[in-house]
Amino acid sequence: AQKVTQAQTEISVVEKEDVTLDCVYETRDTTYYLFWYKQPPSGELVFLIRRNSFDEQNEISGRYSWNFQKSTSSFNFTITASQVVDSAVYFCALSGEYNQGGKLIFGQGTELSVKP
Amino acid sequence: DGGITQSPKYLFRKEGQNVTLSCEQNLNHDAMYWYRQDPGQGLRLIYYSQIVNDFQKGDIAEGYSVSREKKESFPLTVTSAQKNPTAFYLCASSIGGQGTEAFFGQGTRLTVV
Repeated sequence: AQKVTQAQTEISVVEKEDVTLDCVYETRDTTYYLFWYKQPPSGELVFLIRRNSFDEQNEISGRYSWNFQKSTSSFNFTITASQVVDSAVYFCALSGEYNQGGKLIFGQGTELSVKP
Repeated sequence: DGGITQSPKYLFRKEGQNVTLSCEQNLNHDAMYWYRQDPGQGLRLIYYSQIVNDFQKGDIAEGYSVSREKKESFPLTVTSAQKNPTAFYLCASSIGGQGTEAFFGQGTRLTVV
């Protein structure tokens, strides 16, 4: 069975703090893909990053960084120097070896609130 | 601009009624998906379609139906058999193929009155 767990339901930080959103996944597939999406109050999900199971390099994009560790089945997301505009619900998702793109297993989501 | 358009944004349904949610994309994507989102839960897959005139059930298909007569369109009907339809519904599309990212519409919030 495939599963994604985001244990943090809600996180509240003050602007400029760093914050890490945790994601733990389960799969027996050898090839799989992990995603992070952001859901602002407008409702639509915005794609942030994709990682395949063979690429464990950390990724940095501006204030965002991702730490993928197969040994612990984790794909954590860090926002450095958070801003109020980062307030949103963030979803981690998994796509297995035999799944077409878009057929995703989502975690429960983490609601991030960044206060000024 | 290319994207996915869902309509209406808000929809109210009376008990026993069928309602249809619209999803149109102009991204020329082969694959389209419907997800349901409930408060405090992640998204769950209702139906998906990888090509025109073909679709498959997702994890929670009971009480829902879809059609895929055109590449651009993938409407979702919430039937009276769906016992708890109040939720936020999101449509997505992707080019298909393993590991490709999905692009989402802005969602339809359905409320039973």
